[in-house]
Amino acid sequence: EAGVVQSPRYKIIEKKQPVAFWCNPISGHNTLYWYLQNLGQGPELLIRYENEEAVDDSQLPKDRFSAERLKGVDSTLKIQPAELGDSAVYLCASSLTDQYEQYFGPGTRLTVT
Amino acid sequence: GENVEQHPSTLSVQEGDSAVIKCTYSDSASNYFPWYKQELGKRPQLIIDIRSNVGEKKDQRIAVTLNKTAKHFSLHITETQPEDSAVYFCAAAPGGYQKVTFGTGTKLQVIP
Repeated sequence: EAGVVQSPRYKIIEKKQPVAFWCNPISGHNTLYWYLQNLGQGPELLIRYENEEAVDDSQLPKDRFSAERLKGVDSTLKIQPAELGDSAVYLCASSLTDQYEQYFGPGTRLTVT
Repeated sequence: GENVEQHPSTLSVQEGDSAVIKCTYSDSASNYFPWYKQELGKRPQLIIDIRSNVGEKKDQRIAVTLNKTAKHFSLHITETQPEDSAVYFCAAAPGGYQKVTFGTGTKLQVIP
C-alpha cells in the first residue's frame, strides 16, 4: 500500500512569491491534515479536512494561506505571498474517519530567502 | 485548547541502557496519547499509543504509561540500540475529535 505522497520535497523561493504544496493521502483515508513543523518543534495543525470539508482551520493564517481538497482526495496548500518566517517543513497526514492514527507524508521543506 | 509539555528536550544514553521521556497535558478531556518517532529528514511514524482506559501498554522494548489523575504519560525504551536514535514526540487528543496536539520533541541519542 502506498503511503502519503507529497510534492515537491524541497522548495526554495524568494519572499513575496507564491508557493503551493500538493498531497495525495492513503487511498480510502477521508481525513486529511496539513501541519507546519518548525525546526526543533513538533507538528502544528494548520487545517483538517473530512472529505472535501475543512472542519478545523482555526490555526490557518487566512490572510496568506489557503487550502483546498477538491473531490475529497488530493489536497493543495498555498501561500501567497510567502514571508521569511514561513520557512519550515509542511507535513501532510491522513487517517481513516473516526480513527486517531495518522500517517504522515515525507513533508515539503520550504526555504524562503 | 490542549497544551502538551515534553521533557527532556535532549537525552543521551549508552547502548543497552533505558531511556524515559515524560509528557504532561492540560486538557482533562484528552483520552488518546500517541508517540511518534521521527528520524532525521524523515516523516513522523507512530510507534505506540495508549488510551485513557489503559494505564500501561507494552510492545517489545517500548512501553507507555499513563496517569490520568496527574495528567502525565511517559515513554520507556529498554535495551536501547543505535537505531533508536531519533526525535520522539508525544501527543494528546480529546475524545470524539481528531485534533492531535504534539509536544516539542525529545532528541534521543544512543551512544554505541
